Amino acid sequence: GQNIDQPTEMTATEGAIVQINCTYQTSGFNGLFWYQQHAGEAPTFLSYNVLDGLEEKGRFSSFLSRSKGYSYLLLKELQMKDSASYLCAVRVADRGSTLGRLYFGRGTQLTVWP
Amino acid sequence: SAVISQKPSRDICQRGTSLTIQCQVDSQVTMMFWYRQQPGQSLTLIATANQGSEATYESGFVIDKFPISRPNLTFSTLTVSNMSPEDSSIYLCSVFGLAATDTQYFGPGTRLTVL
Repeated sequence: GQNIDQPTEMTATEGAIVQINCTYQTSGFNGLFWYQQHAGEAPTFLSYNVLDGLEEKGRFSSFLSRSKGYSYLLLKELQMKDSASYLCAVRVADRGSTLGRLYFGRGTQLTVWP
Repeated sequence: SAVISQKPSRDICQRGTSLTIQCQVDSQVTMMFWYRQQPGQSLTLIATANQGSEATYESGFVIDKFPISRPNLTFSTLTVSNMSPEDSSIYLCSVFGLAATDTQYFGPGTRLTVL
């Protein structure tokens, strides 16, 4: 099975930087994804890492270390609209699928205060 | 990217009945996935729907409870059978994008309440 762990809740203030960590234990690792989910909405894609290192996309960056089973999502210049749940997801390849299946952590609820 | 629609968007059902949820994608995709998101929880993979073969179910989910159809490369249905209040969840359809390294996209979800 997959074991994906991330903090349940985090808080930060507008303009600040926050780092959301995710650790995982799985076989057949084939990429790590971060999604943002606002209440009542479907998850939306933020970032994808399959190789070690940092991927930067505007205010959002994601880091991966495959040897440590570790990733983080970094959000800079926080805005009120960034208050949402952030989901870490691991893609696991298997014989039955070309790319694999996506398994999610429990999500981190981020609250941004003014 | 892929555009995914689901029907119905929400429903309220009585215990013991069944509901079929439809998922339509605007492009042909090999694999479609069905997830469940219970209140306050993250997403749990129910099954993978492959065109032309039986669906592959994750541990804890069985075909009798969640039968799936995949008649073509753009459409799938998930049925929640013999419902109980514990089945109250959001059910989401998901597909990979068109590129081999593309991300996975989600439909808007079906919010199911079982009384």
